[in-house]
Amino acid sequence: RKEVEQDPGPFNVPEGATVAFNCTYSNSASQSFFWYRQDCRKEPKLLMSVYSSGNEDGRFTAQLNRASQYISLLIRDSKLSDSATYLCVVHPRGKLIFGQGTTLQVKP
Amino acid sequence: NAGVMQNPRHLVRRRGQEARLRCSPMKGHSHVYWYRQLPEEGLKFMVYLQKENIIDESGMPKERFSAEFPKEGPSILRIQQVVRGDSAAYFCASSQTGQNTEAFFGQGTRLTVV
Repeated sequence: RKEVEQDPGPFNVPEGATVAFNCTYSNSASQSFFWYRQDCRKEPKLLMSVYSSGNEDGRFTAQLNRASQYISLLIRDSKLSDSATYLCVVHPRGKLIFGQGTTLQVKP
Repeated sequence: NAGVMQNPRHLVRRRGQEARLRCSPMKGHSHVYWYRQLPEEGLKFMVYLQKENIIDESGMPKERFSAEFPKEGPSILRIQQVVRGDSAAYFCASSQTGQNTEAFFGQGTRLTVV
């Protein structure tokens, strides 16, 4: 079983749609969690940290369910510029572990 | 405040040569991570270092690959006797501490072995 699993997609949605990604992780000792975004094989860029209480940043909402060991990312009112690969990252002590990524394509 | 700096951005090596990839972390960051990304694949962890220490090298191939993060200067990922299969993007990230803090990535080094 992979340490971090994501549905690779692609998710094809129209502009303005709401889309949600989930990610599951296997290491229950994981302490911190993040969502990164990667465009066209460029470097991953931090999108947001994921807190136990959930957090929101504009159109983006991240949630953590420790009991079920999954993390989610919700994007509201999708923009064309949101098209990218979204990477779920789990951080037990030490290394950052990346999921395979979920590809989002927002269509006009 | 410069971000994570990697150089070179592109590196071409012939089979059998050595490749040296450099990573200067963000100011104030003492933790460095190296990742490899093959075409159409995800990021694969290679090694996690602190100043002068290798903390976790579980993702490093056993042969030809080595990494260091000296007290002074950048972190170096070294690949000896490169083969075509080493062609990939190599990304470095840095963080302030080893847990509960965000990590930031450099622009990567694209290694092509011909």
